[in-house]
Amino acid sequence: GAVVSQHPSRVICKSGTSVKIECRSLDFQATTMFWYRQFPKQSLMLMATSNEGSKATYEQGVEKDKFLINHASLTLSTLTVTSAHPEDSSFYICSAIRDRNTEAFFGQGTRLTVV
Amino acid sequence: GQNIDQPTEMTATEGAIVQINCTYQTSGFNGLFWYQQHAGEAPTFLSYNVLDGLEEKGRFSSFLSRSKGYSYLLLKELQMKDSASYLCAVMDSNYQLIWGAGTKLIIKP
Repeated sequence: GAVVSQHPSRVICKSGTSVKIECRSLDFQATTMFWYRQFPKQSLMLMATSNEGSKATYEQGVEKDKFLINHASLTLSTLTVTSAHPEDSSFYICSAIRDRNTEAFFGQGTRLTVV
Repeated sequence: GQNIDQPTEMTATEGAIVQINCTYQTSGFNGLFWYQQHAGEAPTFLSYNVLDGLEEKGRFSSFLSRSKGYSYLLLKELQMKDSASYLCAVMDSNYQLIWGAGTKLIIKP
């Protein structure tokens, strides 16, 4: 199957700082990338949908100024958590699809801890 | 609204068979996916159904009935490593994935 690489896998940062998470599709061009947040023992919560070259579409309740998403190319999307607070601590996962009606391939996830 | 229902938790015995059900109500349908997720890891793709019927892939099979808004994932010859959460997701008319809450499967020796 296709490979999606997410980096870093774990990050600890101080409250008030910003953290950037990268999501790369290594062997295919991703028409769309998705960013999810997952709390312990809960399902994936879609944060935003990102198409290359256009602004991300954020889900209701997700602050676009806090969670900055950039999709600069067909193989790279980034999520920046700005001015992080302890309540932002979570597991963030990206996924990418080649085309519609195809399965989503997931990155390894990033465990963010804000202290 | 859009809704995906699956049991919260199931328990089965090593070597046995287990069926995890998923019912859905979505605005449009462009396929149903099953993913496996081990604790602390990202989901991995198991199956995709867009037409009615059974898709078999090794020890795992997935069934879909679009008229009933129903799918199941069948796991045979259960192994301890199959202990994980199993997520059902439906792609709606906007090609967005709608996720179920997941079924935690516990395998006992």
